[in-house]
Amino acid sequence: NAGVMQNPRHLVRRRGQEARLRCSPMKGHSHVYWYRQLPEEGLKFMVYLQKENIIDESGMPKERFSAEFPKEGPSILRIQQVVRGDSAAYFCASSPPGLDNYNSPLHFGNGTRLTVT
Amino acid sequence: AQKVTQAQTEISVVEKEDVTLDCVYETRDTTYYLFWYKQPPSGELVFLIRRNSFDEQNEISGRYSWNFQKSTSSFNFTITASQVVDSAVYFCALSDSGYNTDKLIFGTGTRLQVFP
Repeated sequence: NAGVMQNPRHLVRRRGQEARLRCSPMKGHSHVYWYRQLPEEGLKFMVYLQKENIIDESGMPKERFSAEFPKEGPSILRIQQVVRGDSAAYFCASSPPGLDNYNSPLHFGNGTRLTVT
Repeated sequence: AQKVTQAQTEISVVEKEDVTLDCVYETRDTTYYLFWYKQPPSGELVFLIRRNSFDEQNEISGRYSWNFQKSTSSFNFTITASQVVDSAVYFCALSDSGYNTDKLIFGTGTRLQVFP
């Protein structure tokens, strides 16, 4: 059973470009979470999605950032017009639905390291 | 407000020493989860433990042990007979309020360096 898959592992963008980060949850998991880790800091929650629904986006910056988790395919975190301050590691995690959630710890992908030049 | 404090920014030990990483949390919830994750130099996050707030039993897993004390709001992590491979940043985390127990609040991490 493959773990949470994130790609790309490293992404370099110039200021003003768009960054698209992909996350494929573990098999059977329908809940996806995105976290951001700024250099030398802990992880900060960004957004929680279920298939085709954004459940909690309280940690998302108000502008330029969006996330989706379509019925088919991976979850996408999109950052438009990137700035240097967006340079960070972005981690995705997934969990199963319903009561299974209480027995399953949150597993993270290996992260995407975004560098904005 | 909920908060996780890892006061030790960096710890250095020599191999085979025991080391304890401190974690203090704040929450008004009566039901919550506490976690520890390891982030080795390669950067991935490795799950170590999840503890329910109703279960104050200490946990031991090989060289790792955890001491959960609600009275002091602490969830400390001890590595016995440390090894070079234990070198990593260790994060303590607390589940957020409400139904979404997977929305985690992380501490700032403790960097552990184990020297041979």
